[in-house]
Amino acid sequence: EVQLLESGGGLVQPGGSLRLSCAASGFIFSSYSVNWVRQAPGKGLEWVSVISSSGDKTYYADSVKGRLTISRDNSKNTVFLQMNNLRAEDTAVYYCAKVLRGGRILTGVFDSWGQGTLVTVSS
Amino acid sequence: QSALTQPASLSGSPGQSITISCTGTSSDVGGYNYVSWYQQHPGKVPKLMIYDVRNRPSGVSNRFSGSKSGNTASLTISGLQAEDEADYYCSSYTSTNTVVFGGGTKLTVL
Repeated sequence: EVQLLESGGGLVQPGGSLRLSCAASGFIFSSYSVNWVRQAPGKGLEWVSVISSSGDKTYYADSVKGRLTISRDNSKNTVFLQMNNLRAEDTAVYYCAKVLRGGRILTGVFDSWGQGTLVTVSS
Repeated sequence: QSALTQPASLSGSPGQSITISCTGTSSDVGGYNYVSWYQQHPGKVPKLMIYDVRNRPSGVSNRFSGSKSGNTASLTISGLQAEDEADYYCSSYTSTNTVVFGGGTKLTVL
């Protein structure tokens, strides 16, 4: 069974930093790209970033480019999201999501999601 | 990266069919067959219902179907059931190597 478990969320002041982790199990981790998707309280889904299966390619939403960095450690089946210079508008539940198919890095087809971790940016 | 356009809310009675639209541009919905639909019940994680415009993952009821015409994709739910009451989001791959979601549609089963 595919499992994704996010951690690292919490309360941080504007301008601060957090590092989220997504620990994966139940599938061949190194064969799939992984995405982060966020959802502000009471709002819709927003795609944040993706990292390729090998980690050599990354893409970001314009709203986070230059402030958030995605990375992965295939030896530990874990994806990370380093979040710097956080803003109030980054407040959201952050989900990691596995893609349905290996191969193409990004199609927006997310077949497995973690339970999410809440990031609150507030003074 | 403007969000795809979905109706904010829709409603239907049990047994009816409803269609949720998702309008984008030629740079996303119209340009690629990478449209997906997600169902999200309150407090729950999104669930993939349709991918690549019209494909259903295993385990998803065949009451759910997808289609696309030009820059608009659609999700049709036939034989509406109480358990279908949820938020629905479309998504699409875009020409700038990103993914864009729709604003979401709150479906109420009367």
